[in-house]
Amino acid sequence: SQKIEQNSEALNIQEGKTATLTCNYTNYSPAYLQWYRQDPGRGPVFLLLIRENEKEKRKERLKVTFDTTLKQSLFHITASQPADSATYLCALGLLSGNTPLVFGKGTRLSVIA
Amino acid sequence: ETGVTQTPRHLVMGMTNKKSLKCEQHLGHNAMYWYKQSAKKPLELMFVYNFKEQTENNSVPSRFSPECPNSSHLFLHLHTLQPEDSALYLCASSQVPGDSAGELFFGEGSRLTVL
Repeated sequence: SQKIEQNSEALNIQEGKTATLTCNYTNYSPAYLQWYRQDPGRGPVFLLLIRENEKEKRKERLKVTFDTTLKQSLFHITASQPADSATYLCALGLLSGNTPLVFGKGTRLSVIA
Repeated sequence: ETGVTQTPRHLVMGMTNKKSLKCEQHLGHNAMYWYKQSAKKPLELMFVYNFKEQTENNSVPSRFSPECPNSSHLFLHLHTLQPEDSALYLCASSQVPGDSAGELFFGEGSRLTVL
């Protein structure tokens, strides 16, 4: 069956460390993968997109990798801050254009000062 | 006003009530979506509209009825709901087709409680 798994429901790390969140999928062939941030009681906010032919993308303190052989994406936040505490969602895009995204359950990250 | 706006932000209704959720996007997008978010579950796609035409109905019960009068407005009409329908209902928009790879812009959500 098709699955998207974000391995940790919750992750606690110390301020200043690098947070690494994982997104694994089975029986999908995504054309791209997106990461979103969601704060409590708010809608998700788009962070980064990585396509199947890209290995890595960076945006400020954020880095995303995409390994289609391992069927895995890693999302890194370097020099983490308490303000980074939120739930992070990965989403698979199965085709370019208007095919709806498929979301994982999310990982709740807490950065402790 | 910019972005995606949802009203009301909170709604409490009885099982026999009829209510509606409203969504408006000011981004010039041509696709709009309703998602349901329940605790400890992934976002569940309910409905998709492209250029005002419904292109997806993800086996949603008929007690949820969408309406898209134009590409900027989306409604979700609710009637005879069940307590298990209590959730955060999220509206989103995107620009399709094209190279956008379907990036979604979400509203803040409508928190629905069914008593």
